[in-house]
Amino acid sequence: EVQLLESGGGLVQPGGSLRLSCAASGFTFSSYAMNWVRQAPGKGLEWVSSISDSGGSTYYAESVKGRFTISRDSSKNTLYLQMNSLRAEDTAVYYCAKVNDYYGSGFDYWGQGTLVTVSS
Amino acid sequence: QSALTQPPSASGSPGQSVTISCTGTSSDVGGYNYVSWYQQHPGKAPKLMIYEVSKRPSGVPDRFSGSKSGNTASLTVSGLQAEDEADYYCSSYAGSNNLGVFGTGTKVTVL
Repeated sequence: EVQLLESGGGLVQPGGSLRLSCAASGFTFSSYAMNWVRQAPGKGLEWVSSISDSGGSTYYAESVKGRFTISRDSSKNTLYLQMNSLRAEDTAVYYCAKVNDYYGSGFDYWGQGTLVTVSS
Repeated sequence: QSALTQPPSASGSPGQSVTISCTGTSSDVGGYNYVSWYQQHPGKAPKLMIYEVSKRPSGVPDRFSGSKSGNTASLTVSGLQAEDEADYYCSSYAGSNNLGVFGTGTKVTVL
């Protein structure tokens, strides 16, 4: 059974940093691109970042480019999102999601999400 | 990259059909056959219902179907059931610099 379990969310002040983790199990982690998608309270979904299966290619939404860094450790089957220079508008539930097969084929498994709150 | 446009709400009685539209541009929906649809119940993670415009993942009922014409994609839910009441989001690949632009979301109500 595929499982994705996020952790690392919490309350952080504006300008602060946070690192999210997503522990994956039930599939060959190193064979699939992985993603972060967020959802602000009461709002819609927003794609944040993606990383290729090898980790050699990374992609970011314009809203987080230069502030967030996605990475993965296949030895630990874990996906990460390093978030720096956080702003109030980054407040959201952050989901990690596995690509169905390849980019464009949708996200077939999602974690339960971890809440990040940016506030003073 | 702007969000794809969906109607805020849609509704139907049990057994009826409801269709949700998702309008983008030639840079996303119209440019690729990579449209996905997600169902999200309150407090839950999204669930993939349709991918590559019209394909259903294993386990998704065939009451759910997808299509596309030009820059607009559509999700149809036939034979509405109470458990179909949820938020629905479309998403499209939009090139290597924007791997997943989402729609604004549609709340489906089963009357």
